[in-house]
Amino acid sequence: QKEVEQDPGPLSVPEGAIVSLNCTYSNSAFQYFMWYRQYSRKGPELLMYTYSSGNKEDGRFTAQVDKSSKYISLFIRDSQPSDSATYLCAITTGSNYKLTFGKGTLLTVNP
Amino acid sequence: GAVVSQHPSWVICKSGTSVKIECRSLDFQATTMFWYRQFPKQSLMLMATSNEGSKATYEQGVEKDKFLINHASLTLSTLTVTSAHPEDSSFYICSATPRDRTYEQYFGPGTRLTVT
Repeated sequence: QKEVEQDPGPLSVPEGAIVSLNCTYSNSAFQYFMWYRQYSRKGPELLMYTYSSGNKEDGRFTAQVDKSSKYISLFIRDSQPSDSATYLCAITTGSNYKLTFGKGTLLTVNP
Repeated sequence: GAVVSQHPSWVICKSGTSVKIECRSLDFQATTMFWYRQFPKQSLMLMATSNEGSKATYEQGVEKDKFLINHASLTLSTLTVTSAHPEDSSFYICSATPRDRTYEQYFGPGTRLTVT
């Protein structure tokens, strides 16, 4: 079983839709949970990171962590065409700062 | 804040030559820098971790004599691909971790290497 599983999509939604992106992980030692956005031929951009279970909101983005289920989510409200990108979840134990990445989900928001 | 730059953004070289890629943290001091490789439509693959003034730690399967990493200062790390071959063609991305926010990793824009 891979340490981090993420559905690669692709996911296509109309503008204004609520988008839900998810990852599952297997190692209970993971403590920090990140979401990155990567546009084509660019480096990943850190969107949000959370520590421990719960929700964290930043504008149209909400990150959710359920450590009991080993499940993390990113919700995008009122999605825009500019949100079209690959979204990567990344997780670390925090002991050596190495990130374990999901495969990434390709999202397209259609005008 | 937390901007990381890479240079060059794109390079073409001939087989057998060496190429150096620079990674700089522009507005923070980086405790640790990482080098990744990414193939089309795939996720990032960690190649090595480097701390300023120390030897880099390479991931299993990554040839340290081929991918030379130098972390000369808290704001600069370089990756040199030695004796490049066409199979080394890839997208190389660095990232850096701020001293005061050690769980955050900020990525550079990437360098596309094509070996002919």
